[in-house]
Amino acid sequence: NAGVTQTPKFQVLKTGQSMTLQCAQDMNHNSMYWYRQDPGMGLRLIYYSASEGTTDKGEVPNGYNVSRLNKREFSLRLESAAPSQTSVYFCASSEGTRVAYEQYFGPGTRLTVT
Amino acid sequence: GESVGLHLPTLSVQEGDNSIINCAYSNSASDYFIWYKQESGKGPQFIIDIRSNMDKRQGQRVTVLLNKTVKHLSLQIAATQPGDSAVYFCAEEREYGGSQGNLIFGKGTKLSVKP
Repeated sequence: NAGVTQTPKFQVLKTGQSMTLQCAQDMNHNSMYWYRQDPGMGLRLIYYSASEGTTDKGEVPNGYNVSRLNKREFSLRLESAAPSQTSVYFCASSEGTRVAYEQYFGPGTRLTVT
Repeated sequence: GESVGLHLPTLSVQEGDNSIINCAYSNSASDYFIWYKQESGKGPQFIIDIRSNMDKRQGQRVTVLLNKTVKHLSLQIAATQPGDSAVYFCAEEREYGGSQGNLIFGKGTKLSVKP
């Protein structure tokens, strides 16, 4: 099992450009999450999907959209990138949304917006 | 200007010593806490968890202590090894949109182990 995979690993965008970060999990998990991590900070939840077909906002959703394409895949889209969105983005998955279900994290996507 | 958030608290210990990493949480209603380890260039990895009805929980070489009176959590690592060098985050459960199970992470502590 690959666990949680993310593409791309690195990306540089110009202000105003758009892009989609891809995430896939092969653990048959119901719930998936997108976090961002800024230097010297903990992770902050952007959006999550409790189950296939549902998505909800987290702590910092502004400037992002998500799509739960199917049970395996959960993508994060930046429609018009801004320098404030320079960050490392982590996708995670878990069996369910209760924290008793451990969240498994991908390796991250390092995004720089100039 | 300098951002306080750029400077993680750092703990430096000698190999073989015990490490204690501390965390203060904000929400007295939180009832579930987790410690994560993040090695350089990788995503966070689960270490150990504890529910609010417990004061202490032990794992392999790790112990988590919870003091609800002062909203304080600590992670103790016994016989620290070079492989323990990483950033350690505590996280508390927080509810969003009526759905429980979402985590609020602390800023993290960087543990450096000297051989």
